[in-house]
Amino acid sequence: QKEVEQNSGPLSVPEGAIASLNCTYSDRGSQSFFWYRQYSGKSPELIMSIYSNGDKEDGRFTAQLNKASQYVSLLIRDSQPSDSATYLCAVHFMDSNYQLIWGAGTKLIIKP
Amino acid sequence: GAVVSQHPSRVICKSGTSVKIECRSLDFQATTMFWYRQFPKQSLMLMATSNEGSKATYEQGVEKDKFLINHASLTLSTLTVTSAHPEDSSFYICSARDEGYEQYFGPGTRLTVT
Repeated sequence: QKEVEQNSGPLSVPEGAIASLNCTYSDRGSQSFFWYRQYSGKSPELIMSIYSNGDKEDGRFTAQLNKASQYVSLLIRDSQPSDSATYLCAVHFMDSNYQLIWGAGTKLIIKP
Repeated sequence: GAVVSQHPSRVICKSGTSVKIECRSLDFQATTMFWYRQFPKQSLMLMATSNEGSKATYEQGVEKDKFLINHASLTLSTLTVTSAHPEDSSFYICSARDEGYEQYFGPGTRLTVT
């Protein structure tokens, strides 16, 4: 059973702090991991992809991957109210053709 | 880069009619396109996967005769909701991939069936 798990939240973080979002997945053979942001009433938007163990930074965003522990996380530094959204974790499993398996998403609220 | 358009953005139709939604990749060739449905405050639900020139693969529980998918070219896929009913009212979103596994989403179509 291919599963991607996220805490649904809401996760409330004060403005300017670091928001930490976590995701676990069920298949050790997975190679490709993605974070999407979805604002209410809008479609998802790709913000980060990560393929190898360690950290990947892009502006205020850092994705962290630990394949041995089967988790991937997203850190948002200097959180802004505009970061308030639902963050979706998606994983490509080796035998799932080109489909992504989606977590249910974590709702993040940045409080001014 | 990686822009996907979707039309219409909103549509209201009467029960029993059919609605066609278009999804286009504007600056890349989409080898695979995906159609999702999302109900309010719920997760994305994959409806079907389509590859250019071949029949779509539908997820379990999705009626292929009700949700017709055509992927006629590398830049265009269409979803037709046939004989729509109020329970089909939802947010329909397409996505596309080129060479990697990441998917790029269209802006979505909000369907209301009255």
